[in-house]
Amino acid sequence: DTEVTQTPKHLVMGMTNKKSLKCEQHMGHRAMYWYKQKAKKPPELMFVYSYEKLSINESVPSRFSPECPNSSLLNLHLHALQPEDSALYLCASSQEGSRQYFGPGTRLTVT
Amino acid sequence: DQQVKQNSPSLSVQEGRISILNCDYTNSMFDYFLWYKKYPAEGPTFLISISSIKDKNEDGRFTVFLNKSAKHLSLHIVPSQPGDSAVYFCAASVGRDDKIIFGKGTRLHILP
Repeated sequence: DTEVTQTPKHLVMGMTNKKSLKCEQHMGHRAMYWYKQKAKKPPELMFVYSYEKLSINESVPSRFSPECPNSSLLNLHLHALQPEDSALYLCASSQEGSRQYFGPGTRLTVT
Repeated sequence: DQQVKQNSPSLSVQEGRISILNCDYTNSMFDYFLWYKKYPAEGPTFLISISSIKDKNEDGRFTVFLNKSAKHLSLHIVPSQPGDSAVYFCAASVGRDDKIIFGKGTRLHILP
């Protein structure tokens, strides 16, 4: 099984809402990642968890809060987002690092 | 400052011909390079990689060439097929680090 799953596929939220994005992998990978991708732009790294510990935070605003409950799950908690945070949020996992397996993404719209 | 550059936003190639996608990098610390392919509404999928100790890596129809002195790599697809129509991202890392830097991507159109 080389699949990374993400839920929901689409999410519309207001600026005062709290929501969470979920990601799951069952490949036994040690690292999981959150990326943000705007239209016609490359994926931008947000966070990396390695062995369930936060190892990279790319100076992401605190309205984005990652959580890694166990080695298979990764969440991204969202609160008080801005319209410019609307984007495709991609989760990925990896064992060796740069060769990463991506999920299909969550299309987020902030109204 | 872009560390990984794909200067062609799009490329159209006739089916059956060779597709050549180019990528340049500026950071001389990069020593591992990857190509990812992305269809609409899907996440990127890994295609092929190359370490800086090699200058060529081949996998079926896909070959990546690395010119370290020019800080340039290219992806060759031969023969091009309709299913190859997608956005191709070049990416680079230091070692096989968790942090990879993506280029802006090149949209490849395979024409019938």
